[in-house]
Amino acid sequence: EGQLVESGGGLVKPGGSLRLSCASSGFTFTTYSMNWVRQAPGKGLEWVSSISGSRGRSYIYYADSVKGRFSISRDNAKNSLFLQMNSLRAEDTAVYFCAREGYYEDGMDVWGQGTTVTVS
Amino acid sequence: DIQMTQSPSSLSASVGDRVTITCRASQGIRNDLAWYQQKPGKAPKRLIYVASNLQSGVPSRFSGSGSGTEFTLTISSLQPEDFATYYCLQHNAYPRTFGQGTKVEVK
Repeated sequence: EGQLVESGGGLVKPGGSLRLSCASSGFTFTTYSMNWVRQAPGKGLEWVSSISGSRGRSYIYYADSVKGRFSISRDNAKNSLFLQMNSLRAEDTAVYFCAREGYYEDGMDVWGQGTTVTVS
Repeated sequence: DIQMTQSPSSLSASVGDRVTITCRASQGIRNDLAWYQQKPGKAPKRLIYVASNLQSGVPSRFSGSGSGTEFTLTISSLQPEDFATYYCLQHNAYPRTFGQGTKVEVK
């Protein structure tokens, strides 16, 4: 079914930067669109960003809350997804999940365990 | 943006109870809705996709229904492992939006 493993989280000061990585295995990474979703402490799920796979149209989307500060990218040769986070704010503190988009673009079907980002 | 209003925000139930959770979309989303279960400290797990399709490996006591703007997740007979938080997600348009979540607690 596939596995996703995030890394790169940590403690960073406001205004700082961090780059999250997500390593995939067990499926054809190139084919699938991918997502980042976050969850602030004690709060609900918040979609952050999506990037298309090799099927269908090409796209990148961001939530308004991160637009202009975060950048999503992928390296298909390394089966990896990235999230470059700049100008970090306290409100970006959250667990960040990498999630595969379903084959028919029908929501996230495989999730990583998450990596914690603390901005303080 | 499409707003997803999920209700209730929490409920108390007993093992064996029938539980129903509702999500309403601010505009029509056809059947582009998924349901997730999340337990503390864990990643979400997809239960239902395209409003009513059961994810492989998910027990048949879970079911989804609805189309357009109103959707329902039903647990026909609550089991001890079902105490968790449930979220809906619309995948009709970007930005993707989740409901606020429903915490199912022990009565």
